[in-house]
Amino acid sequence: DTGVSQDPRHKITKRGQNVTFRCDPISEHNRLYWYRQTLGQGPEFLTYFQNEAQLEKSRLLSDRFSAERPKGSFSTLEIQRTEQGDSAMYLCASSLAGSHEQYFGPGTRLTVT
Amino acid sequence: ILNVEQSPQSLHVQEGDSTNFTCSFPSSNFYALHWYRWETAKSPEALFVMTLNGDEKKKGRISATLNTKEGYSYLYIKGSQPEDSATYLCAAGSGSARQLTFGSGTQLTVLP
Repeated sequence: DTGVSQDPRHKITKRGQNVTFRCDPISEHNRLYWYRQTLGQGPEFLTYFQNEAQLEKSRLLSDRFSAERPKGSFSTLEIQRTEQGDSAMYLCASSLAGSHEQYFGPGTRLTVT
Repeated sequence: ILNVEQSPQSLHVQEGDSTNFTCSFPSSNFYALHWYRWETAKSPEALFVMTLNGDEKKKGRISATLNTKEGYSYLYIKGSQPEDSATYLCAAGSGSARQLTFGSGTQLTVLP
């Protein structure tokens, strides 16, 4: 399968714990995006990388959130000291610079208890 | 920041019915309009990307139109089938990063 993959698909954690999600984009794609979707809403933009550089961050991305893309390939999204409000589907997408199309992974569903 | 709205929120149709959904977006600072189909436990699947006023795209029984001057797009499904049941999301692209601003989706259920 050459699509975008995300791991894990589901994560249940207790409030206050740290969690980390991984996204593997389509191999030749140099842009990578993170979105978050909460119940009843569409996905909301969190942050964006071009190669290894994080070029844009949404105000939704609080200080407890950090994202990296160290070698310009896979990316990780870490949430520290999770809160119940962090429960959501976290989606990753990738694209080629200059292309309109973004290809999405299946998402990681986080539940904070 | 774009505000993208979709209607209706949900829709139940009988197999064989044709249906359509609406997506509205601010016409200023528009870059591209995307339609995605999202089935439970799967990745959102890209259906169409449109950029030019008057664009019309078609893929099998599904088609879409774009009016950038008035800020709306329609998605049409002809002869709905149960496998068309999914959430249909529209998203407007903007900004230098082309990040997408999504509507909240239309949940379609096609009853056999």
